[in-house]
Amino acid sequence: QKEVEQNSGPLSVPEGAIASLNCTYSDRVSQSFFWYRQYSGKSPELIMSIYSNGDKEDGRFTAQLNKASQYVSLLIRDSQPSDSATYLCAVFKAAGNKLTFGGGTRVLVKP
Amino acid sequence: NAGVTQTPKFRILKIGQSMTLQCTQDMNHNYMYWYRQDPGMGLKLIYYSVGAGITDKGEVPNGYNVSRSTTEDFPLRLELAAPSQTSVYFCASSYSLQALGNEQFFGPGTRLTVL
Repeated sequence: QKEVEQNSGPLSVPEGAIASLNCTYSDRVSQSFFWYRQYSGKSPELIMSIYSNGDKEDGRFTAQLNKASQYVSLLIRDSQPSDSATYLCAVFKAAGNKLTFGGGTRVLVKP
Repeated sequence: NAGVTQTPKFRILKIGQSMTLQCTQDMNHNYMYWYRQDPGMGLKLIYYSVGAGITDKGEVPNGYNVSRSTTEDFPLRLELAAPSQTSVYFCASSYSLQALGNEQFFGPGTRLTVL
């Protein structure tokens, strides 16, 4: 079992709709959770971080964390073509100072 | 601020050759990291450093070496390049450990091909 798992996609979403991305992790001691966006040929950039159970909203993005079920999700509201990218889930645990990335979900927003 | 810079942007190596990937940050960050990203995959940590003179192995350190003589620079050395090292290499830095919520800033990457 991979430490951090994501559906590779592509997730095709009409413009204006909600894109829903999921990420599961295997280690219960994981402490911090991050979503990075990576455009093709570019480096990752952090868009959301979440540390406690529940929802965290930032603009059109909402991160949701459920530690009991070991999943974290990202919702993109009012999806725009500029949101087309690969979204990487990353999980941090203090033991080993380790940030582990999932394989990413490719999102395509169609006009 | 230039942020995190990496050189070169592209490189083709022959099997058995060696090279150094350069990484410099001007944000006075204590923590620096080297990742590799294979096509369609996430990032895997090669080495990281928590400050000048201190380095530690990540998930996939074999075939690589690092040094950290200054806060700003964190070069990655490939000895005896192998086709399995064909990848995109990203350097990143952060003020503190990720657990404290500090963002990792990534460089533009180096695309390396070993033939």
